[in-house]
Amino acid sequence: AQSVSQHNHHVILSEAASLELGCNYSYGGTVNLFWYVQYPGQHLQLLLKYFSGDPLVKGIKGFEAEFIKSKFSFNLRKPSVQWSDTAEYFCAVNARNAGNNRKLIWGLGTSLAVNP
Amino acid sequence: NAGVTQTPKFQVLKTGQSMTLQCAQDMNHNSMYWYRQDPGMGLRLIYYSASEGTTDKGEVPNGYNVSRLNKREFSLRLESAAPSQTSVYFCASSDLDRGTSYEQYFGPGTRLTVT
Repeated sequence: AQSVSQHNHHVILSEAASLELGCNYSYGGTVNLFWYVQYPGQHLQLLLKYFSGDPLVKGIKGFEAEFIKSKFSFNLRKPSVQWSDTAEYFCAVNARNAGNNRKLIWGLGTSLAVNP
Repeated sequence: NAGVTQTPKFQVLKTGQSMTLQCAQDMNHNSMYWYRQDPGMGLRLIYYSASEGTTDKGEVPNGYNVSRLNKREFSLRLESAAPSQTSVYFCASSDLDRGTSYEQYFGPGTRLTVT
């Protein structure tokens, strides 16, 4: 069965520090990849997505992620975090050619706290 | 264009009571989903509806039923609420039939407490 692993459950950073959140998935076929963000008390919003083409994708608020197919990874990065980036971050994968490709497989999330 | 809307935003139930969570989307999406979110457990899929007229179980369907009333609306029913169903419930929709990227759009959530 497909699965998504987010390595860091809790991350604490100071403002201006660089961020990298790991995401690995287990599926050998074609995938769509997503990072969602959930700010405190809010619903999930799409941060960025990979569908095809350039494996380096840029999202909102200065976030980017790189799809490395050989490593089954889609790590999220931001060069300089702000206090307003405090949120929970979820990685999700759609296995496009799997038996049921109408679902997203979700990681457990990473809670990021940025200290001012 | 409101996107995905959910009602109610908050609800407190006693054990054994029933209730229905409502979800509607105005994006003409074919697929709709119900998730629950619990601390440390991420998002777990309860039920989904790939298209109007179809529903399928997700990871944690026990204790829940769903109805895809029409293309816009997808409701989640708790027939006899239990404290283990205390959670935040999110509805989502996506448009899978136009070759798009399977992105899901989320509603604001319903915070349910069962005492």
